Order: sequence, then C-alpha cells, then structure tokens
Amino acid sequence: DSGVTQTPKHLITATGQRVTLRCSPRSGDLSVYWYQQSLDQGLQFLIQYYNGEERAKGNILERFSAQQFPDLHSELNLSSLELGDSALYFCASSVGGTGLSSGNTIYFGEGSWLTVV
Amino acid sequence: GEDVEQSLFLSVREGDSSVINCTYTDSSSTYLYWYKQEPGAGLQLLTYIFSNMDMKQDQRLTVLLNKKDKHLSLRIADTQTGDSAIYFCAETSSSNTGKLIFGQGTTLQVKP
Repeated sequence: DSGVTQTPKHLITATGQRVTLRCSPRSGDLSVYWYQQSLDQGLQFLIQYYNGEERAKGNILERFSAQQFPDLHSELNLSSLELGDSALYFCASSVGGTGLSSGNTIYFGEGSWLTVV
Repeated sequence: GEDVEQSLFLSVREGDSSVINCTYTDSSSTYLYWYKQEPGAGLQLLTYIFSNMDMKQDQRLTVLLNKKDKHLSLRIADTQTGDSAIYFCAETSSSNTGKLIFGQGTTLQVKP
C-alpha cells in the first residue's frame, strides 16, 4: 500500500458526460501528480500541483482540469468525454515539488479505471 | 528532448537472472526510477538511483547506471514467477518539477 488513495476504482460512463476522479496523497506529501495510462500512449503526465498551486502541465486536454484543495487532496475533472478518454488514471504524490530534492520519491495510487461507452 | 526507451518484452526461466534495459536522453536527470506494475494494479516503486551513482543494490535488485551512455539497467536475481509484471523505467524531467518521463514498459515473463 503506497498510501495514495484514489476513488473511484472503476467508472463506466457515456460519451459526452463529465466525471470527477479523486485523490488523497500520502500523509505529509505536498505534491500531487496526475498521469494517464492508455494502450496506445503509455504513461502520460497530465498535471502537477504543489501545495495548492499548479506546478507543471503536461499533455492535458482542455476538456480536463484539476485542482488541489487546502487539505491537499486533488480532483481531476474530465468533461465532454470521448471513447478515446478510456484509460487508467493514476494519481501520485511526493513530499517535494521537484525532482531535484533529495529523496523526493514519487508514490502512485492504484489508479481509477475509466471506461467511456 | 526528453525520451525514455525500453525493450518491450523479456522472457526468462524461474531462477535465472533478468536484466531489463533502459536508455534515456536527458543528461540533466537527477533521479532514475524503476516501477513495477502487476496486471490490473497500480505502479509500485521498486527502487531509484541518484545520477551521481553507478550502482545500487537492494536485496535481489541491482540497478546499474552508465551516465556516459545514458543507459540504466535493472537486474533481478533468482527471478520468481511473482516477478512477472511490466517494469517501467522513468527519469525526472529536466524542468524544475517532479514530473516523471516514463518508458513504454518491459513485460517480464517468468516461465516455471
């Protein structure tokens, strides 16, 4: 158990709908990351938040948005869903905000399986 | 640019050693990681190495880093059927974030 909690574990929804994925980081971790894992694209970085502020943005679609709340949990909102959005969405967390910090290892949750039908 | 390459598949016999290889492009990467993903599961951090190290050993796992060739390898000694999984190599991005760049993953098949 990495200590990173994601809900829901599985979600099936229709095209055009909107879903929210939730993540609770490990206790004491200030950074939250979201990744998308699909068969054709592999593991793609979406976005990082550090202590409530957006730190880095990756290949995140405009239909997707995220935020980190004062209690440090994060939500990833996916809207106008398309079939191609079906994937495993991972949340990860770390203590620091950069890869340069000593021991800033990044721990992943179990993921949220999203199926768009 | 940032890119991480891995071979896609490796098959070994139980009890043999497995060596999974990875190449990366970002010479400023500070940490390089190995993650394991079992079927239907999340990413489990196996080990990591700081870029000023050549080798790191952790029980059955040995990580070798050749910084000159930007080559990273993960050796699993006495491979067991429970080691069957996908192994991902990742590097920290050169930007001032904790973003990880992942390889495509190597599927390790361990035959009894």
